[in-house]
Amino acid sequence: EDQVTQSPEALRLQEGESSSLNCSYTVSGLRGLFWYRQDPGKGPEFLFTLYSAGEEKEKERLKATLTKKESFLHITAPKPEDSATYLCAVNNFNKFYFGSGTKLNVKP
Amino acid sequence: DGGITQSPKYLFRKEGQNVTLSCEQNLNHDAMYWYRQDPGQGLRLIYYSQIVNDFQKGDIAEGYSVSREKKESFPLTVTSAQKNPTAFYLCASSPDRGTEAFFGQGTRLTVV
Repeated sequence: EDQVTQSPEALRLQEGESSSLNCSYTVSGLRGLFWYRQDPGKGPEFLFTLYSAGEEKEKERLKATLTKKESFLHITAPKPEDSATYLCAVNNFNKFYFGSGTKLNVKP
Repeated sequence: DGGITQSPKYLFRKEGQNVTLSCEQNLNHDAMYWYRQDPGQGLRLIYYSQIVNDFQKGDIAEGYSVSREKKESFPLTVTSAQKNPTAFYLCASSPDRGTEAFFGQGTRLTVV
């Protein structure tokens, strides 16, 4: 069965405390893996696309990496404004499969 | 500015009513999607369209209908057959299959 699993469901960090979010997937015919940020009551905001194992993308305090079966979103020295739900999705040309997200809370 | 516009932001539906959610994009994207988001759950695909005048059912299409008469527009109708329509609805578009999707700001539908 095609599916995407994200862990942990929720993560509380102190400001400056680095950590990683995980996205594992079992989707046949993978075309790309995508990370999004979603703030409460808003639509997801696109962050990164990864297409092949070993690929890495960075944006400010975020870095996304991809292996054959999972992706990590590394958050370095997070700030309170990084608090949001982070969604992972994979695409196999027919449709997107989304995980349930990791809700990140960064305390000052 | 290019983007995806969903309207209205909030919508209230009485029992037995059909309501239509609007989604317009000016990104010149071929593919458009409708998702439903419930608390604690991932996004679930309702319908998608890869090209004008063509669309396919997603995982939870029952009680919903769509049309794609123009490239820019992909309205979603929530019919009275949808028994639990209260949710956050998200429209998205992508240049083509396999590329990243961009989302609108969502419509929150509540049954009263």
